Amino acid sequence: NSKVIQTPRYLVKGQGQKAKMRCIPEKGHPVVFWYQQNKNNEFKFLINFQNQEVLQQIDMTEKRFSAECPSNSPCSLEIQSSEAGDSALYLCASSGQYEQYFGPGTRLTVL
Amino acid sequence: QQQVRQSPQSLTVWEGGTTVLTCSYEDSTFNYFPWYQQFPGEGPALLISILSVSDKKEDGRFTTFFNKREKKLSLHIIDSQPGDSATYFCAASSITGNTGKLIFGLGTTLQVQP
Repeated sequence: NSKVIQTPRYLVKGQGQKAKMRCIPEKGHPVVFWYQQNKNNEFKFLINFQNQEVLQQIDMTEKRFSAECPSNSPCSLEIQSSEAGDSALYLCASSGQYEQYFGPGTRLTVL
Repeated sequence: QQQVRQSPQSLTVWEGGTTVLTCSYEDSTFNYFPWYQQFPGEGPALLISILSVSDKKEDGRFTTFFNKREKKLSLHIIDSQPGDSATYFCAASSITGNTGKLIFGLGTTLQVQP
């Protein structure tokens, strides 16, 4: 059973509002991933970290998405100005070697 | 272009039967293939995974087969139970010299009828 904790489980925002979600990875897992799963079951990789450093991220040219993984604090993913198309399940996964274990996700609804 | 393809999209089997889900991929650099099980309202749970150096892995009622030449894999569930009703995703990644991000298929929704 995964021990990845994600909060909140549900998030409802109006268009243009900020949306912030958090993730506590499994203890001892140095790598953290964020994915977006839409209603059509399409998974989109967003960003990953290893020990607080960004390994890879999608082209966030719109700069609406930001993420960080500070030491001794939960990782976070923030959408600066939510849009209707951002409505999705946001999943955090942590990894020790190569296996990724997912949390329950944060369901974001943008009205 | 979908790099990981799953079939069928949905499947119904009777309790006690064998379920077979299939997956194909494009990128020959992929060398790690996990299968995830997802129930409504939950995150995906790692079910079983296989590295490209193997052609078969078993874990209880679940077995995954890997065919490197054909770039295909499958998940077999024997003695299927109503509690197995869920959406199953295959995924792929390159774990060597890469960040290990997973590429997912679109899933197969399984219904096991009692």
